Amino acid sequence: NAGVTQTPKFRILKIGQSMTLQCTQDMNHNYMYWYRQDPGMGLKLIYYSVGAGITDKGEVPNGYNVSRSTTEDFPLRLELAAPSQTSVYFCASRPTGTGVRQETQYFGPGTRLLVL
Amino acid sequence: AQTVTQSQPEMSVQEAETVTLSCTYDTSESDYYLFWYKQPPSRQMILVIRQEAYKQQNATENRFSVNFQKAAKSFSLKISDSQLGDAAMYFCASPPMNTGFQKLVFGTGTRLLVSP
Repeated sequence: NAGVTQTPKFRILKIGQSMTLQCTQDMNHNYMYWYRQDPGMGLKLIYYSVGAGITDKGEVPNGYNVSRSTTEDFPLRLELAAPSQTSVYFCASRPTGTGVRQETQYFGPGTRLLVL
Repeated sequence: AQTVTQSQPEMSVQEAETVTLSCTYDTSESDYYLFWYKQPPSRQMILVIRQEAYKQQNATENRFSVNFQKAAKSFSLKISDSQLGDAAMYFCASPPMNTGFQKLVFGTGTRLLVSP
């Protein structure tokens, strides 16, 4: 198992450009998440998905879009990049779990994005 | 509103000594997991330990253990016999208030410094 993979590892964008951050997991997890981590801070949830075709907003969704057409993939789209989107982006996935308890989230290695 | 609080931005410990990192949380869930993640300089998020809230017994994983006080909503991480490789950012995470079990909220982190 490769686990959760993210591409690219690092990217520089100009203001106003768009890009897609890729996330793939091979663990057949239904739940997938996108977080951003600003310098010296914790993780903030951007979007999440509970299964193919189902997505929902997190704490900081503005400026981003997601889609979930397959169980494995959960791309994050940045439209009209702004300097405030300079951050490290993490994708995570987890199994459904039993009952209503949270299960462990497994993280990708992150994508560092710099918007200039 | 922030539901996970890590009040220690930075902690220092000497090799072989013991250190405790504190975390308080607030959730409306009655049955949940709590998590501690480690983030070394590589930025990879690594699960350290998790606690099941319905279990009274504190979780342990080798040199890592928790002190879980459910009524006080406190979830501290104890690292025994500290090693240089323990130096990292540590984040605790819990389910947020009033939004079910699908998401986690992360604290702002504690940087652990380990000296020889």
